[in-house]
Amino acid sequence: DGGITQSPKYLFRKEGQNVTLSCEQNLNHDAMYWYRQDPGQGLRLIYYSQIVNDFQKGDIAEGYSVSREKKESFPLTVTSAQKNPTAFYLCASSKGNNQPQHFGDGTRLSIL
Amino acid sequence: GQQLNQSPQSMFIQEGEDVSMNCTSSSIFNTWLWYKQDPGEGPVLLIALYKAGELTSNGRLTAQFGITRKDSFLNISASIPSDVGIYFCVGGTYKYIFGTGTRLKVLA
Repeated sequence: DGGITQSPKYLFRKEGQNVTLSCEQNLNHDAMYWYRQDPGQGLRLIYYSQIVNDFQKGDIAEGYSVSREKKESFPLTVTSAQKNPTAFYLCASSKGNNQPQHFGDGTRLSIL
Repeated sequence: GQQLNQSPQSMFIQEGEDVSMNCTSSSIFNTWLWYKQDPGEGPVLLIALYKAGELTSNGRLTAQFGITRKDSFLNISASIPSDVGIYFCVGGTYKYIFGTGTRLKVLA
């Protein structure tokens, strides 16, 4: 079945460590997105990519980095510069910009 | 970043009751979307609206694109326990803006 796969489901980060969250889609979508969700909050956009080898910062990009080397993959790295990384991270994709987004099941990141 | 005003923030209802929630914005949108998120999972698209005044149903769910293009509502009829979750509205122009969510709890 087509869909978006995020891994791992749960991730723990030590102080000063970079961690990478995986997002893979087999929907042949051009656009991919990363969101952060804090308890009781809505979704905030971290980064998005409309096409391979191109990506743009969202509203809260500081402390995060991404790459888009393949159409199917859009990994997110949470760097040590992100001082409050504990959150639920959601990846999404869409056929194009301004098309409904389809979401993965999320990765919950916690600090050790 | 901008977020939509979604209300109510949370609600408890009895099984079988109808539910209504809405989203308002100071900005005009070309698209309104409604998603449902179950605990620990990603949001799932329920209904997409593309034209002002449009009324669309999906089973027991009905949503409307406000005529001013600044608001939308979602109704759930005859609620059941599995309707529990967080409902998000999303307004779209050149990018999508997410509402803060309505947390629905259904009492059996």
